[in-house]
Amino acid sequence: GQSLEQPSEVTAVEGAIVQINCTYQTSGFYGLSWYQQHDGGAPTFLSYNGLDGLEETGRFSSFLSRSDSYGYLLLQELQMKDSASYFCAVKSGGYQKVTFGTGTKLQVIP
Amino acid sequence: DGGITQSPKYLFRKEGQNVTLSCEQNLNHDAMYWYRQDPGQGLRLIYYSQIVNDFQKGDIAEGYSVSREKKESFPLTVTSAQKNPTAFYLCASSIEPQNQYFGAGTRLSVL
Repeated sequence: GQSLEQPSEVTAVEGAIVQINCTYQTSGFYGLSWYQQHDGGAPTFLSYNGLDGLEETGRFSSFLSRSDSYGYLLLQELQMKDSASYFCAVKSGGYQKVTFGTGTKLQVIP
Repeated sequence: DGGITQSPKYLFRKEGQNVTLSCEQNLNHDAMYWYRQDPGQGLRLIYYSQIVNDFQKGDIAEGYSVSREKKESFPLTVTSAQKNPTAFYLCASSIEPQNQYFGAGTRLSVL
C-alpha cells in the first residue's frame, strides 16, 4: 500500500517563508501533487512534480527527490490568506488514482 | 462557468435510510472521484470512474454505491450498511489524476 507523512501543524509569521515536508512510501510512483484547503472549503490544486527538482508557481514552489521519496512545498512572502491545510498526494500504481496525506495545517500569524 | 456542482450542501440521514449525494461537472472530464474527509483528516477515496459506465472501488467502498450513466454525473449513495456515515464528502473530476478539480462538498450527518 501507500503511506505519506506530513507534519500535522506548522506556524509561521506573515511575510516569512515556510516549508512543508512530505515523505512517502509507495510502489509504482509517478509523481507528487500539492493541494490547498481552507477550513470548510474544497481542495484546490497547487502543483505537481513528476520529475526531480523544483517547480515554481508565483509565491509557491514544490520540490521532489524520487531517490529520497521526499518532497516539499515552499511558500514565500506568507500572507494571512495562506492559513489553510496543505495536502500532498502521490500518483502511483493505477493510472487514475492518487492517495492523499493527512494534511498540514498552516497558521500564519501577524 | 465550468465547474463541479455538489448538492445538497448539508444532508441528514435517518437510521436505516439510504441517501444519495449528487455530483455534476461541465468540464468535459472523463474521470470522476468520490472522497470522504473526517475532521482533521486527509481525503480517503471511496470510488472512482475513468469513463462512462465504468467505476472502481477505492480504499473505503464498503457501505457506498455509485453509478456513471452520463459523463457529467457521478452520484454517490450512502447505504444503511455504512454505520458511520457522518463526514464531509467531496467529489472531483480530472483529465489527469494528479490535477483534480473539486466540488464544494456535502456535509452528511446522522439524525
